[in-house]
Amino acid sequence: EVQLQQSGPELRRPGSSVKLSCKASGYSITDYLMHWVKHRPEHGLKWIGCIDPEDGETKYAQKFQSKATLTADTSSNTAYMQLSSLTPEDTATYFCARGLPGYVMDAWGQGASVTVSS
Amino acid sequence: DIRMTQSPASLSASLGETVNIECLASEDIYSDLAWYQQKPGKSPQHLIYDSNYLQNGVPSRFSGSGSGTQYSLKINSLQSEDVATYFCQQYNNYPLTFGSGTKLEIK
Repeated sequence: EVQLQQSGPELRRPGSSVKLSCKASGYSITDYLMHWVKHRPEHGLKWIGCIDPEDGETKYAQKFQSKATLTADTSSNTAYMQLSSLTPEDTATYFCARGLPGYVMDAWGQGASVTVSS
Repeated sequence: DIRMTQSPASLSASLGETVNIECLASEDIYSDLAWYQQKPGKSPQHLIYDSNYLQNGVPSRFSGSGSGTQYSLKINSLQSEDVATYFCQQYNNYPLTFGSGTKLEIK
């Protein structure tokens, strides 16, 4: 069974950074892209970017180009997203989701809550 | 970026009714469109891919249609478990983009 297990909730101060993890089981992360999606109820779903763990190639939405850094560790079958220079607008739930190029995101993590507050 | 305009923003319908949700892309996305269902506190789950293909295990009362720039999700015989927010998403081009969502409630 394919599962994506995300790290737990985070509370951070403005200006700090956070690194979220997404551990895959039931498949090899090198066989799929890993997407990251931001969710705020009043703003809907926003695609942040994706990484191809096979070669480390990344794509980002322009809005998140300087905010997010995507990496992957094939030895642990885990993908990561670091968010930097946090502001209250980064308060959201972040999902990882696997997909193939030109295809849906067919499996999602449970989401990781990030709260940015002083 | 491809803009996905989804309507309506919210929808209230009775059990057993049929509802339709629309999504308009700002350019041709060649049926590279998915529909997701998200229940409160849960992650999105895809229902439909490639505009009209039903994901395994999804009830047949859900169906998708459309091509070019216009797409729709139809839910027949509305059930209480269908209460959720529904999103369309295009995967024809980067950046991937979502519709703004339709919140479906039962009257």
